[in-house]
Amino acid sequence: DVKVTQSSRYLVKRTGEKVFLECVQDMDHENMFWYRQDPGLGLRLIYFSYDVKMKEKGDIPEGYSVSREKKERFSLILESASTNQTSMYLCASRLGGLAGGADTQYFGPGTRLTVL
Amino acid sequence: DQQVKQNSPSLSVQEGRISILNCDYTNSMFDYFLWYKKYPAEGPTFLISISSIKDKNEDGRFTVFLNKSAKHLSLHIVPSQPGDSAVYFCAGWGGKLIFGQGTELSVKP
Repeated sequence: DVKVTQSSRYLVKRTGEKVFLECVQDMDHENMFWYRQDPGLGLRLIYFSYDVKMKEKGDIPEGYSVSREKKERFSLILESASTNQTSMYLCASRLGGLAGGADTQYFGPGTRLTVL
Repeated sequence: DQQVKQNSPSLSVQEGRISILNCDYTNSMFDYFLWYKKYPAEGPTFLISISSIKDKNEDGRFTVFLNKSAKHLSLHIVPSQPGDSAVYFCAGWGGKLIFGQGTELSVKP
């Protein structure tokens, strides 16, 4: 059974703080993703990584950075949190290469981040 | 530029009746379309997909229809059950998933 875990379910931070969101997957997946979910906007891709030490910008990367030092772990970093980054953050992982079909993407439970 | 659109934010249906969730897209290069289901406080889970070369795919109570000329797809749930109450996301696949805004389905007993 694929498992994608996220370090926190709920997080409250203050404006200007540096925030780390951690994601770990146990299925040896090459690809990992960070999304944010907002009402009326759906899931929007922030950053993704095809493999260790690789990263690509998604649709809304501004204000975020990522780190992938190990295959199983993908971190999302808010360098200086702002109130407009209050959101639900979802991590996902997927097989890479030819085996990485559209339906092999699995999501973690999400982190509800509130920035005050 | 919203490549995948779900124009109905919410839908309410009586138990046992059909639920129809709609999705429109603009990108003709999508290879697959997928539907994900999301319960509160959980991550989305894959429900059903359809290849861009097909016009219908069925899995139990769930059927997805694709109309390529209209760039439109729909998810039919028959019969609807209260446990189907969730947010449903449509997504297009072209190497990565592009999601719509979601439709919140409420199935009333």
